[in-house]
Amino acid sequence: EAGVAQSPRYKIIEKRQSVAFWCNPISGHATLYWYQQILGQGPKLLIQFQNNGVVDDSQLPKDRFSAERLKGVDSTLKIQPAKLEDSAVYLCASSLGTSGLNEQFFGPGTRLTVL
Amino acid sequence: SQQGEEDPQALSIQEGENATMNCSYKTSINNLQWYRQNSGRGLVHLILIRSNEREKHSGRLRVTLDTSKKSSSLLITASRAADTASYFCATPQTGAQKLVFGQGTRLTINP
Repeated sequence: EAGVAQSPRYKIIEKRQSVAFWCNPISGHATLYWYQQILGQGPKLLIQFQNNGVVDDSQLPKDRFSAERLKGVDSTLKIQPAKLEDSAVYLCASSLGTSGLNEQFFGPGTRLTVL
Repeated sequence: SQQGEEDPQALSIQEGENATMNCSYKTSINNLQWYRQNSGRGLVHLILIRSNEREKHSGRLRVTLDTSKKSSSLLITASRAADTASYFCATPQTGAQKLVFGQGTRLTINP
């Protein structure tokens, strides 16, 4: 069974530039998550999708971050414009079923550096 | 919000020794999960323990849950170099269908 795929693995941009991350969850997983993990901290949930609908985006900085999950499969997370404090690893995860409390399967993450 | 806090923040032991990490949380939960993260990688699910369970085993891993003390522990027996990683507990946020991760315990196994 293929795992959660993410791209790119690394990205370096200047502040105020835009960046987009892509995630392909495990086939058949209804719930998809985007997390931000700052160095030395645990992952923080940014947004949670159930199929193609948003379940929770309470911690998503909506003035600069946006995410979509078209057709309830792949998802993209965009930052526009980026700030220095956005430097982090962005993790995508998916889980079977519609509860956000099930076992989550994580991708390898995208390490973003904002200069 | 519901959040697990791991203790200690960092732990360094010799290969072959046992490693114990603890997680404390604030309000009632229906399950608690432990995840491992190797350097530069995504998280890997280790164990889910439900509120009506007191202990669960998976290979060299043993997880306990004490709901009266609102705490859980993860024991790794006969540690190996490959166990070097960060370990996170995740608990449901009160009133929400989502997990909240703690800051993690950074475990180093010395050869």
